[in-house]
Amino acid sequence: AQSVTQPDIHITVSEGASLELRCNYSYGATPYLFWYVQSPGQGLQLLLKYFSGDTLVQGIKGFEAEFKRSQSSFNLRKPSVHWSDAAEYFCAVGAGGTYKYIFGTGTRLKVLA
Amino acid sequence: DGGITQSPKYLFRKEGQNVTLSCEQNLNHDAMYWYRQDPGQGLRLIYYSQIVNDFQKGDIAEGYSVSREKKESFPLTVTSAQKNPTAFYLCASSSKRDTQYFGPGTRLTVL
Repeated sequence: AQSVTQPDIHITVSEGASLELRCNYSYGATPYLFWYVQSPGQGLQLLLKYFSGDTLVQGIKGFEAEFKRSQSSFNLRKPSVHWSDAAEYFCAVGAGGTYKYIFGTGTRLKVLA
Repeated sequence: DGGITQSPKYLFRKEGQNVTLSCEQNLNHDAMYWYRQDPGQGLRLIYYSQIVNDFQKGDIAEGYSVSREKKESFPLTVTSAQKNPTAFYLCASSSKRDTQYFGPGTRLTVL
């Protein structure tokens, strides 16, 4: 069965520090992969996506993610975190050929001043 | 501007009442979705529709109903059969094999 795992429920980093949020997926074929960010009481905003091609993808707000097929991972990174990055982050996989998407349970990021 | 709108932003329901959440999109997307979000549980799929006049149950459809009479609209009704409806509800839309876009959400509270 398709699944997405975000092993870290909460992460706390200091402002200016680097960030890596983990995402592992289980899917038989090459998945479509997404990272979204959600501020409290808001909808989800797309940060970046991977469909094919270059395995390092750049997104908005200085985020990037790397698709590693051998590890079934799609980790999100940012070299220097800003206080405004505090939010909840969701990894998702799209089942190619269908309209369904599977979401991880999210990682809540706290940024210390 | 293209996007997805949800209304109302806040909704209160009394015991035994049905309530309907609105979702409209002008992105010309074929598919639309309803998710429920509870703290610590991520997003759970309630219903989705790939085309007008057709929809499929998601993982937690019990106590909910939907319709898809127009491509742009996908309203969700929370019926009295849903015993724990207090949650944040998110509507989304997508084209096939492409990105899913989300509305701003509706917070439903049972009084």
